[in-house]
Amino acid sequence: SQTIHQWPATLVQPVGSPLSLECTVEGTSNPNLYWYRQAAGRGLQLLFYSVGIGQISSEVPQNLSASRPQDRQFILSSKKLLLSDSGFYLCASNRDRDKKTEAFFGQGTRLTVV
Amino acid sequence: EDKVVQSPLSLVVHEGDTVTLNCSYEVTNFRSLLWYKQEKKAPTFLFMLTSSGIEKKSGRLSSILDKKELSSILNITATQTGDSAIYLCAGNTGGFKTIFGAGTRLFVKA
Repeated sequence: SQTIHQWPATLVQPVGSPLSLECTVEGTSNPNLYWYRQAAGRGLQLLFYSVGIGQISSEVPQNLSASRPQDRQFILSSKKLLLSDSGFYLCASNRDRDKKTEAFFGQGTRLTVV
Repeated sequence: EDKVVQSPLSLVVHEGDTVTLNCSYEVTNFRSLLWYKQEKKAPTFLFMLTSSGIEKKSGRLSSILDKKELSSILNITATQTGDSAIYLCAGNTGGFKTIFGAGTRLFVKA
């Protein structure tokens, strides 16, 4: 079965600092990968998704970017964090056999920008 | 614009009560409706519904989809404190996107 590793679990960063969150997937190949953000009391907002190496689709204009340097690695980045970037970031993956099924989630990174 | 709306936003019940959580969706090229339970961190998958009127069950949890009304409900019978969580509903589109609702925060009192 799939396992999704995200790190770090928590992060406190000052405004204007860079960001790099990493997500790696085990137990599957050629997955669809997703970055979501969950603000307090809100649902999951899709930020980026990727269907393959180097292929990134952005869902909302923002201060963040994503990259997929390897099949099972997905990175969320920012050059300069804003206060509004605070939130709970979740990486997710679809199973490779059927990409229209449920997603598996990592444990998330709670980012606080101060 | 695709959207998924859940109600109520929060709910407090006593152990043993039965609860019904609601989800309505407007999703382009709808393929499936998903329910997740989120306790502390990662949401965990509960159900995927693709056909209208067919109930899916897992223990005390059950869910059904109504494609005519563009809605779904999640029922939990004989609630326990361990059922306390955020329940997320999501609509899966024909592309690679899944649109999530804001969730229902359920708190079960002992």
